[in-house]
Order: sequence, then structure tokens, then C-alpha cells
Amino acid sequence: NAGVTQTPKFQVLKTGQSMTLQCAQDMNHEYMSWYRQDPGMGLRLIHYSVGAGITDQGEVPNGYNVSRSTTEDFPLRLLSAAPSQTSVYFCASSYSGTGLFFGQGTRLTVV
Amino acid sequence: AQSVSQHNHHVILSEAASLELGCNYSYGGTVNLFWYVQYPGQHLQLLLKYFSGDPLVKGIKGFEAEFIKSKFSFNLRKPSVQWSDTAEYFCAVNAIGGFQKLVFGTGTRLLVSP
Repeated sequence: NAGVTQTPKFQVLKTGQSMTLQCAQDMNHEYMSWYRQDPGMGLRLIHYSVGAGITDQGEVPNGYNVSRSTTEDFPLRLLSAAPSQTSVYFCASSYSGTGLFFGQGTRLTVV
Repeated sequence: AQSVSQHNHHVILSEAASLELGCNYSYGGTVNLFWYVQYPGQHLQLLLKYFSGDPLVKGIKGFEAEFIKSKFSFNLRKPSVQWSDTAEYFCAVNAIGGFQKLVFGTGTRLLVSP
């Protein structure tokens, strides 16, 4: 029973590089979302999806893209990494009537 | 827009002490309320949630929270903390129907000394 799986767990990027953070869930949840966690700021919503083919922006979407081609997968793409994107990224899934189920997180450092 | 305030950023308690962490939210409509816990180096886990009904909600590990609508508050309580409760606690809220769009507070770091 894997739940929400994120890869990689750790990543170091150079400024300007692009990369994709992977997220997969096996609970058939319709809702998926990406948050970033920064010290003293709690978690902030980046992008979310209410189902395959449907995505929308959250509170801090700039510099990130998402797509949802299947119910299971919700990758987060950093287009051109900046030091301000150094953070811990959490993917989460949910179903109507439940709270969020979080993945283990990806710690990203942009140098 | 919704917002969540957690008044205590750091709390230090001795084992067996009682705990109350404050959480206030601002939103004019009907909301769902949550408390999450993040143990050191781990992801967030759901402690308890309030959707409707009895405003006193019981969660895992002996935690409970009370929703007071008139005060826009959802404080977390535990009668007797343990060293293993050392963690960061986050209050969160979402508008009805926005299950995937939680707004989180900034968190409270709890340190329980043995």
C-alpha cells in the first residue's frame, strides 16, 4: 500500500536548469496538489488538479508547470530553477470527504 | 481569501503537561478544518478533521480539537503530552468543495522534554 510516492527525495540544481518532480498515487484519488514548505511560512499551494486533464493554479504558481494525463500521476516541472525555489516540495492527494494524504517530500536546493 | 493564524510558534513542555495550540482562521463561509502533524524528517500526517456535527473532534494519539464558530477558532488539545509528541503542528482550512486547496498556518513547533 504505497499511498503517495514522490521522487527524487533530494535534488540539487544549478540556477537555470529544469527538472521534473514526480508524484504518483495508488489510491484512485481524484484530487492531487503540490505544496512547497518553507521555514516560518507553513505550506503554500503551487498547483492542483481535480481530475485527469484538469489543473489550476494555487497561491504560488510562478515558475512551475503541471499536467495530469492520468489519475495516478501529477508531475511538477520547474522551468528554469532559481535559488528562490529552494524548498521542500510535497505532493498530496485527496478524495472528497477526506483530508490530504502527503508524500514523503522532495528536498530541492538550487545553487 | 482564507487565512490561518497559529499564535504559538514554539512551545516547550515537560512530559505529562497539558497542551493547547491555538488556531484561528478567517473566512466568511462554511469551512472544513484540519490539524496535521509533522514529525522530524517526515511528511505531514492527518491528526484530526472537522467537517460538520459535534464541534469537539477526537483524533489519533489522544489529540482533540474544538471548533468554536463564533471565535473562528479550532484549537488543538492533549491532556498529557509525551516525548514522542515532539513535532511541528499545522492547522489548515479549506472552503467547502475545495478539498484540494488547503490553506495552512505557519506551524507550531512543540518540544516535549522528558
